[in-house]
Amino acid sequence: AQSVAQPEDQVNVAEGNPLTVKCTYSVSGNPYLFWYVQYPNRGLQFLLKYITGDNLVKGSYGFEAEFNKSQTSFHLKKPSALVSDSALYFCAVRDSSTDSWGKLQFGAGTQVVVTP
Amino acid sequence: DGGITQSPKYLFRKEGQNVTLSCEQNLNHDAMYWYRQDPGQGLRLIYYSQIVNDFQKGDIAEGYSVSREKKESFPLTVTSAQKNPTAFYLCASSIGQGETYNEQFFGPGTRLTVL
Repeated sequence: AQSVAQPEDQVNVAEGNPLTVKCTYSVSGNPYLFWYVQYPNRGLQFLLKYITGDNLVKGSYGFEAEFNKSQTSFHLKKPSALVSDSALYFCAVRDSSTDSWGKLQFGAGTQVVVTP
Repeated sequence: DGGITQSPKYLFRKEGQNVTLSCEQNLNHDAMYWYRQDPGQGLRLIYYSQIVNDFQKGDIAEGYSVSREKKESFPLTVTSAQKNPTAFYLCASSIGQGETYNEQFFGPGTRLTVL
């Protein structure tokens, strides 16, 4: 079975400070990992993904994420947060060892609040 | 929100009534999905379809039905058997059937409220 955990319901950060949103996962095979962002009453927007290769993945809007296999983590980071980064962030995992369908499992989400 | 449209944006249902949520994509994607979003619970998969005329139940299919008669369309019907249908419904699509590393693209969502 696959699962993903986002241990923080909310992250508060001042504008200009580094932002980190945590994600840990559990899969039986190798993971495919994704980050999405959701603004109020909107659909999810894809930020970045890890499939294989370099552990540091760069994505949209200045976000990046670091894959750590030993800690089974895929934390999302941004060096300098903007007020416009305030949104709901979802981590998702898919187990590469499952059949061709490979269900995507989402975390519960982390609300990011960036204050001016 | 890419090339996926959902309608209506807001929908109100009376008790015992069936309603249908529309999802259309112009991305030429093979796979399409329906999710339900409730506060604090993330997204839960209702149904998915990997190809036209084929679909599979997800984790919470009870009280819902779908069809996939055309590649670009994947409507979801919320039946009267769904006891707690008030939620935000999201449709998504992705490239290919067997390429599980491809990201999903989401529509803007439909907010369903039971009166």
